[in-house]
Amino acid sequence: GIQVEQSPPDLILQEGANSTLRCNFSDSVNNLQWFHQNPWGQLINLFYIPSGTKQNGRLSATTVATERYSLLYISSSQTTDSGVYFCAVSGSGTYKYIFGTGTRLKVLA
Amino acid sequence: SAVISQKPSRDICQRGTSLTIQCQVDSQVTMMFWYRQQPGQSLTLIATANQGSEATYESGFVIDKFPISRPNLTFSTLTVSNMSPEDSSIYLCSVGETGPDTEAFFGQGTRLTVV
Repeated sequence: GIQVEQSPPDLILQEGANSTLRCNFSDSVNNLQWFHQNPWGQLINLFYIPSGTKQNGRLSATTVATERYSLLYISSSQTTDSGVYFCAVSGSGTYKYIFGTGTRLKVLA
Repeated sequence: SAVISQKPSRDICQRGTSLTIQCQVDSQVTMMFWYRQQPGQSLTLIATANQGSEATYESGFVIDKFPISRPNLTFSTLTVSNMSPEDSSIYLCSVGETGPDTEAFFGQGTRLTVV
C-alpha cells in the first residue's frame, strides 16, 4: 500500500514565525488532504488538494503530484495553530484515506 | 460538507466490557469509515462500513473484535468488544462520496479509556 511520510515530526516556533510542513507519498494518488488535529482530538479539514496550489488566510498548500509530495505553509503562526498536522491520501481505485505520520507543532507566545 | 455526530464523545470502561460508538450523518453518504488513533500515533483505518452488508476490514482488524453495522446511508456503529487497556484510543468516523474530488470529513471522535 501507499506509504505517507511527513516531516519534520516535531516543530517548535515562536509566534509570528513561518513554517513549511512536507508530505511525501510513495505512489500516485487520486485524493490528498491536510488536516489539523486540535488538542481535543478533533480533525479539522484544511485543504483538499490532490494537485496545484490553494490558499486560505495564513495557510496555503501546494501538491506536486508528479513528484509525489505536498507542502503546507503556515505564515505568521499563532498559538492556536498548535496541534498535530496530518496529510492523508487515497490511491487509484479506492476512497480509503491513508494517514501520514504527522507533524506536531507547538507555537510559543 | 456533511455534519457528523459521534456518540459518546468520551468514555471510561472496565476491561472485558464492550462499548458501542454511534456515527450519525446529516445527509446520505456513500462511504463511511472507522479509524483508530492510539495515543501519540497517527490514524489507522479499521474498516469500511458497507450499507446493508458486512464491513470490509483492514489487515490486523477482525469482525469479532470490532463489529460494525450500517443499517442505512446516514448511520453506522462500531463496537469495541472485550476491551483491554490496549484498546484505549480515539475512534473516529469518517464519511465521503465516490467519484472525483472525494473529500473526507470526520466526526469529533470518541476518546476511550479502558481501565
